[in-house]
Amino acid sequence: QLQLQESGSGLVKPSQTLSLTCAVSGDSISSGGYSWSWIRQPPGKGLEWIGYIYHSGSTYYNPSFKSRVTISVDRSKNQFSLKLSSVTAADTAVYYCARLKGSSSAYYFDFWGQGTLVTVSS
Amino acid sequence: QSVLTQPPSVSGAPGQRATISCTGSSSNIGAGYDVHWYQQLPGTAPKLLIYGNSNRPSGVPDRFSGSKSGTSASLAITGLQAEDEADYYCQSYDSSLSGYVFGTGTKVTVL
Repeated sequence: QLQLQESGSGLVKPSQTLSLTCAVSGDSISSGGYSWSWIRQPPGKGLEWIGYIYHSGSTYYNPSFKSRVTISVDRSKNQFSLKLSSVTAADTAVYYCARLKGSSSAYYFDFWGQGTLVTVSS
Repeated sequence: QSVLTQPPSVSGAPGQRATISCTGSSSNIGAGYDVHWYQQLPGTAPKLLIYGNSNRPSGVPDRFSGSKSGTSASLAITGLQAEDEADYYCQSYDSSLSGYVFGTGTKVTVL
């Protein structure tokens, strides 16, 4: 069974860079057909897609994050990572990693990590 | 602010039917992109409930069903149970925003 587990700093100072890692077990991150995504949820609010990295290494980001976000993959450790720069209090949220699956006009997130709360505060 | 609109809350007595709508536009649901649904129990991560408008992953009870028509989609829960109390989100792709979008979320309460 596929499992995803987020880890990283739970407290980040304003203007600094948020860094999280998602460890994948039960499948190789390099196996074809899937993308690996980050999604966040501010406290008491809805879900927001941040971006994904394809098994080939190509990335695609939510335009609303502009140039602040970078997603990368470490195949040797079977994990992928999120970096979000210049954070503000508005970036306080539970961050989830998830697998993006599908084809054509139907892509969905079929497996999710448990989530990790990141608080931006001085 | 999401481009997929859901009612904030829906409630029903045990055994009744609850329906959640997800209203989009011509750049997402109306453009032919499929709709998917997630269930988020309190304090947990979202779980895939329906994919491809109407398909249930293995293990999801057939009390849950999905449909899509025009620029909207719906999730129906028949035979409501206490364990169905959760937040539900729809999800699709928006070509104008060039990204994946989620609905505003609906809290289901079993009376």
